[in-house]
Parts: sequence; structure tokens; C-alpha cells
Amino acid sequence: DGGITQSPKYLFRKEGQNVTLSCEQNLNHDAMYWYRQDPGQGLRLIYYSQIVNDFQKGDIAEGYSVSREKKESFPLTVTSAQKNPTAFYLCASSMYGEDEQFFGPGTRLTVL
Amino acid sequence: GQNIDQPTEMTATEGAIVQINCTYQTSGFNGLFWYQQHAGEAPTFLSYNVLDGLEEKGRFSSFLSRSKGYSYLLLKELQMKDSASYLCAVRDVESGAGSYQLTFGKGTKLSVIP
Repeated sequence: DGGITQSPKYLFRKEGQNVTLSCEQNLNHDAMYWYRQDPGQGLRLIYYSQIVNDFQKGDIAEGYSVSREKKESFPLTVTSAQKNPTAFYLCASSMYGEDEQFFGPGTRLTVL
Repeated sequence: GQNIDQPTEMTATEGAIVQINCTYQTSGFNGLFWYQQHAGEAPTFLSYNVLDGLEEKGRFSSFLSRSKGYSYLLLKELQMKDSASYLCAVRDVESGAGSYQLTFGKGTKLSVIP
């Protein structure tokens, strides 16, 4: 079955530690995205990538980094520079960037 | 920038019809999406409108008026499982990410009661 996977579903880290969230898709989609969702807020775009080895900042990229070495994978690193990292992180993908975006199940990150 | 407004919460009765409104302001409009999101889960795609008019898909319909910057999602024959948040998202080709960026509203939490 085609889809998007994110792991783990729940993640706990101590303040000051970097943490990497994984996102894998086998839909053969070109574009991939990372969003952050906070209670009572809409989804906000962190980074997006249109093709392998290329990515652009979204609205709230500070304190985050990404890589796109393979078409299927778009990991997100939450660095210690992110001032308020506790949130629900959603990865999405789409074909050519024009069509609907399909979302993974999300990772809930809690920084203690 | 963009501004997308939707009601924060709505309550409706099982079997009834409910309309969730979304208004937006954008300079390079290129499509409006509706997503359903159950608590703690990923959003799932419901509908897409880029031209004015009504798109029907089973119990769900979505309407768009580009001149008014207005859309609504209509849910018929409500079921308990329809209790979820409904997210309105607009694609603006003049935003920083162009056609690759969706800007989401804060979502409308719908509660369906017996």
C-alpha cells in the first residue's frame, strides 16, 4: 500500500537536544512538506522540497533544518535553537506541487 | 499576507445538515482545499475548488465564490463520526512558495450530538 509514514508517533526530548523526525513516502511524489500544528492554530509551513537535493524555507523555518537526499525521504531536525519545539509535526507530499497534499500520521514532540 | 477565517466551533445534530464557512483574502488565488482532521490524527483531503460553483462528493459538498473570497463546506446526513476539525486551506501562487504552499485556517471543530 502506498502512503506516508512518520516515526515515532510520540517523542520526548530534553531541552537543548537536537532531534530528527523521519518522513518516508512511497507514492512517487515529487514535492514534500513539513508543517507544525499547535493547539488552536492552523498548520504552518516549516520547509518544503520540490525535488531531490533542493528545499526552501516556509513561514517558520528558524530553528529547523531538513535534507532531501532521496525522493522518498524528507527528515526534519528540530535544533536547540527552536525556542518552542513542543508541537504536533506533520509531513505531507504531493505530485508536482499542484495537487492535493497527502499527510502522514504525525509526530507529537514534547520537549521537557 | 493572507487571512483565512472560519468559525472556531460548531455543534450540530446527528442526521442534520451543517454548513462551515471560510472567508479568505489573497492576491494570487489558485485553489481552495477542505480537509478533515480527527483529534490527534493527520488531515485527510475532502474537496478542492478552483472555479466558482458547487462540487459534490457524496454527503459532502463544497462551494466557492472567488469574487467574494468565500467558500463553504456542506455536510449532509450528519453522523457521529463526522465529529472532527475541518480545515480550509488556500493556495496562493504569489506567496513565497508559490504553487507549493497552502495557507491553512485555524480550523472549525464540529461536534455532532445525538
